[in-house]
Amino acid sequence: GAVVSQHPSRVICKSGTSVKIECRSLDFQATTMFWYRQFPKQSLMLMATSNEGSKATYEQGVEKDKFLINHASLTLSTLTVTSAHPEDSSFYICSASGLSGNTIYFGEGSWLTVV
Amino acid sequence: AQTVTQSQPEMSVQEAETVTLSCTYDTSESDYYLFWYKQPPSRQMILVIRQEAYKQQNATENRFSVNFQKAAKSFSLKISDSQLGDAAMYFCAYRGSGGGADGLTFGKGTHLIIQP
Repeated sequence: GAVVSQHPSRVICKSGTSVKIECRSLDFQATTMFWYRQFPKQSLMLMATSNEGSKATYEQGVEKDKFLINHASLTLSTLTVTSAHPEDSSFYICSASGLSGNTIYFGEGSWLTVV
Repeated sequence: AQTVTQSQPEMSVQEAETVTLSCTYDTSESDYYLFWYKQPPSRQMILVIRQEAYKQQNATENRFSVNFQKAAKSFSLKISDSQLGDAAMYFCAYRGSGGGADGLTFGKGTHLIIQP
């Protein structure tokens, strides 16, 4: 089946710095990628939808200047958490949808800890 | 906006028994997709089963089957012959008919415990 790779799987950064998380579709062209956030023992919350070559669409309540999303190619989307704070610590997971749009594939997720 | 409700925060079942996880949703669309995902402690999201709303026949995947009641907006998951490896969080999810542009809306999840 299709593979979506997310990197890094774990990252620790200092408060006030920025950190980038990559999401790659390894064997298909992902026209749309989605970024989710999951707090401990909670469900996945959709943060934003990114389409290749266009600006991301953010869900209500998600700060677009804090969570920068770039979808520069059909196989790569990045999430940059800018000026990170401890409350940004969370599990971030991406998913990708191919041209048919029928199936969504998830990355392995990234644990972000801001200290 | 669409909402997905899982009313069972936790369920427990004896190994080899059958368990049913509940899910209801709210939507004004007539065409959409419904999913059940499994999330083990590794946090990897694993697709268990998927149902297209236009299909009347309930989807099945080996020991996993759904009871899709479109009029009632209900989408329950039945796991037969439960195995220890089935222990995980299970999320019901909805996706609109916008094709690849729609993200998933998840329920809050049900923690499934398998008793040996």
